[in-house]
Amino acid sequence: GAVVSQHPSWVICKSGTSVKIECRSLDFQATTMFWYRQFPKQSLMLMATSNEGSKATYEQGVEKDKFLINHASLTLSTLTVTSAHPEDSSFYICSARDRSGVYGYTFGSGTRLTVV
Amino acid sequence: GQNIDQPTEMTATEGAIVQINCTYQTSGFNGLFWYQQHAGEAPTFLSYNVLDGLEEKGRFSSFLSRSKGYSYLLLKELQMKDSASYLCAVRDLNNDMRFGAGTRLTVKP
Repeated sequence: GAVVSQHPSWVICKSGTSVKIECRSLDFQATTMFWYRQFPKQSLMLMATSNEGSKATYEQGVEKDKFLINHASLTLSTLTVTSAHPEDSSFYICSARDRSGVYGYTFGSGTRLTVV
Repeated sequence: GQNIDQPTEMTATEGAIVQINCTYQTSGFNGLFWYQQHAGEAPTFLSYNVLDGLEEKGRFSSFLSRSKGYSYLLLKELQMKDSASYLCAVRDLNNDMRFGAGTRLTVKP
């Protein structure tokens, strides 16, 4: 099946700094990617849908100026958490539609962000 | 819209069988998926149902009834490593997926 590579796996940053998370589709072109956030023992929460060559679509309650999404190519989407605060500490996961349709979404390995 | 409901937590004993139910409402159905997610990891694909009936894959089976908006995931011969969250997800006609909140399964010795 398709592979989605996500980096970094974990990152610790100081409050007020920005962090960029990358998500790459390795053997296919993903015109659409999805970004999720997950707090401990809670469900996946869709943050935004990233569309190649156009603006991302954000879910209600997600600040687009804080969570910047760029999908500049068919294989790369990035999520930048700007001016991070401790409450932004979470597990961030990207995904793309599986081309075969059999697997639904293919997920990246996730990024554990800790803001200190 | 889509509502996906599944139990929050379940506990079972090693070696036993457990059934995790999922009910859903959707305006356009294009498949139901089950994923396994261990703590701190991304979800991994378990099963896919688009037609009514049972799909069996080793120790795991998944059932779908489209008319009832109902699915279940059946885990047999439970092992300690099966302790994880199990996510039910429904795909619509736009190929967009909605995930249930997940069922946290604890397998005890």
